[in-house]
Amino acid sequence: QSALTQPPSASGSPGQSVTISCTGTSSDVGGYNYVSWYQQHPGKAPKLMIYEVTKRPSGVPDRFSGSKSGNTASLTVSGLQAEDEADYYCSSYAGSNNPVVFGGGTKLTVL
Amino acid sequence: QITLKESGPTLVKPTQTLTLTCTFSGFSLSTSGVAVGWIRQPPGKALEWLALIYWDDDKRYSPSLQTRLTITKDTSKNQVVLTMTNMDPMDTATYYCAHRLVISDYFDYWGQGTLVTVSS
Repeated sequence: QSALTQPPSASGSPGQSVTISCTGTSSDVGGYNYVSWYQQHPGKAPKLMIYEVTKRPSGVPDRFSGSKSGNTASLTVSGLQAEDEADYYCSSYAGSNNPVVFGGGTKLTVL
Repeated sequence: QITLKESGPTLVKPTQTLTLTCTFSGFSLSTSGVAVGWIRQPPGKALEWLALIYWDDDKRYSPSLQTRLTITKDTSKNQVVLTMTNMDPMDTATYYCAHRLVISDYFDYWGQGTLVTVSS
């Protein structure tokens, strides 16, 4: 069982927006602004999409955005494109003794 | 340009010890604030963090696996080694190493991963 809870699946049509949630506790998501999101296509390594809750690395389209409210972080993908179909994982810092926790992953389907 | 690559056996027998090596370039693990981590992913399942080693040789392990894991670094060779004892078929997974900056606590560069199968 993963430390962070994500919905197993999400879907949307091209051009639409979809939001994926990531729920933790005050010891991880709620306690630090160190939530990151990763995109993983089949057979590929994860790719960093969002870090520090809202920041996008260079090269990540601005269609991807992150936010946080309390113990829940969210990833929003706007203007869905076919290439956005992938698995998405959230991660959070959870303190010096357990610095990394991942979510269970969400499979995003572009209809 | 930062790159990382995992290497090690593709098949291990139950109860054996797994040794994986992460060879990296483009950064130094002696630079303050830098860390390298190991993450695994069983087929069709989620990512699971295993271990982190920091520039100052501090180490952190997943609480659920810490009794079986050891992470070390060889700064001169730009390598990080992970050993996992008492391997079980449930440990079959793709094992990734990744670069991390302590200041922001995210994995920004990942290796391609190496699939390790545990079977007799």
